[in-house]
Amino acid sequence: SQTIHQWPATLVQPVGSPLSLECTVEGTSNPNLYWYRQAAGRGLQLLFYSVGIGQISSEVPQNLSASRPQDRQFILSSKKLLLSDSGFYLCAWSARDRGSYEQYFGPGTRLTVT
Amino acid sequence: GQNIDQPTEMTATEGAIVQINCTYQTSGFNGLFWYQQHAGEAPTFLSYNVLDGLEEKGRFSSFLSRSKGYSYLLLKELQMKDSASYLCAVRTGNTPLVFGKGTRLSVIA
Repeated sequence: SQTIHQWPATLVQPVGSPLSLECTVEGTSNPNLYWYRQAAGRGLQLLFYSVGIGQISSEVPQNLSASRPQDRQFILSSKKLLLSDSGFYLCAWSARDRGSYEQYFGPGTRLTVT
Repeated sequence: GQNIDQPTEMTATEGAIVQINCTYQTSGFNGLFWYQQHAGEAPTFLSYNVLDGLEEKGRFSSFLSRSKGYSYLLLKELQMKDSASYLCAVRTGNTPLVFGKGTRLSVIA
């Protein structure tokens, strides 16, 4: 069966500090990978998605970036955090060979920028 | 772009039936999804509709009308643990899912 991991689970960082969130998927090959952010009381906002190693599509211009160094690893980064970067960050995957393409989410990282 | 609308909040009684509606406007429709999200947790996949009609999974059913841009999630025999947010999401072409803001359901005794 497939599992998706994210770490850390919670993070408190000062404004201006760097960020690195990691997501890994097990039990599947060549998945599509996604980063979403959910701010308090708001919907899920797609940040980045990737259809393969080194292939990143950015949905929202901001001070965040994403990388996919390995097939089942997706990393979200920032060089300098802003207060507005606080939120619940969710990584998700979907299978390319499944016609429905439903997305499965990791447990999330709750980021508070102070 | 896509526009997805769902009610912000609903309240229903334990043991009852509740219907959560979702309307959408999009081009290139390629599927509608429902997710459940308990407070502080990640969303979990509930159902998928791509053709018109009703899909049933135990106590949960999801309906789709593509011509009307309309879907609903039906929850039967409500339990306290069903208190959660329910997210409607739409896929167009091969793009990632776009989510509505969710409906917060409170189940009361």
